Amino acid sequence: KAGVTQTPRYLIKTRGQQVTLSCSPISGHRSVSWYQQTPGQGLQFLFEYFSETQRNKGNFPGRFSGRQFSNSRSEMNVSTLELGDSALYLCASSRNRGREEKLFFGSGTQLSVL
Amino acid sequence: GDSVTQMEGPVTLSEEAFLTINCTYTATGYPSLFWYVQYPGEGLQLLLKATKADDKGSNKGFEATYRKETTSFHLEKGSVQVSDSAVYFCALLTTGANNLFFGTGTRLTVIP
Repeated sequence: KAGVTQTPRYLIKTRGQQVTLSCSPISGHRSVSWYQQTPGQGLQFLFEYFSETQRNKGNFPGRFSGRQFSNSRSEMNVSTLELGDSALYLCASSRNRGREEKLFFGSGTQLSVL
Repeated sequence: GDSVTQMEGPVTLSEEAFLTINCTYTATGYPSLFWYVQYPGEGLQLLLKATKADDKGSNKGFEATYRKETTSFHLEKGSVQVSDSAVYFCALLTTGANNLFFGTGTRLTVIP
């Protein structure tokens, strides 16, 4: 069974550009969450999607957005990139929502903003 | 708000030494508590979890006990191996929410 797949693995952008990251959850998983990992702030929750609807959102500016498709694949978009957006972006999936659900994480997309 | 405070690293131990990584939390209600591990170049993997007070989570020789009275979930292992070298994250999931709050992570290096 394939795990959570994130593409691309590495990305280099310049300030002001926009970027789209992709996440394919484990087959049968309907919940997808996104996290940002930086050395200074650690791991922070961005948003969660379930059945194509955003269910929960972290404390990030509106430049960060996402969506989920009918096949549960998810994308996140960051517009007007800033240097501080350089981070490892992790996607996690679970079969359903709820405290008993186990999250499976992808290897992440390493974004560098120059 | 909900938060997790984790022991600062890095931690360097010799093989077969005893490991403790401290974790305390602040949360409303009755959170579930987790330890995740991140090996170099990889995403996070669930190491163990506990969902209610006095529960003990254990896996691969690691264990942690959910202590409500001290709001703690310290990670322990009696004898570490070189292959345990990784970054360890304590996390909580609050009642009604579906997102994890993570600690800052503790980098463990085990030397032969």
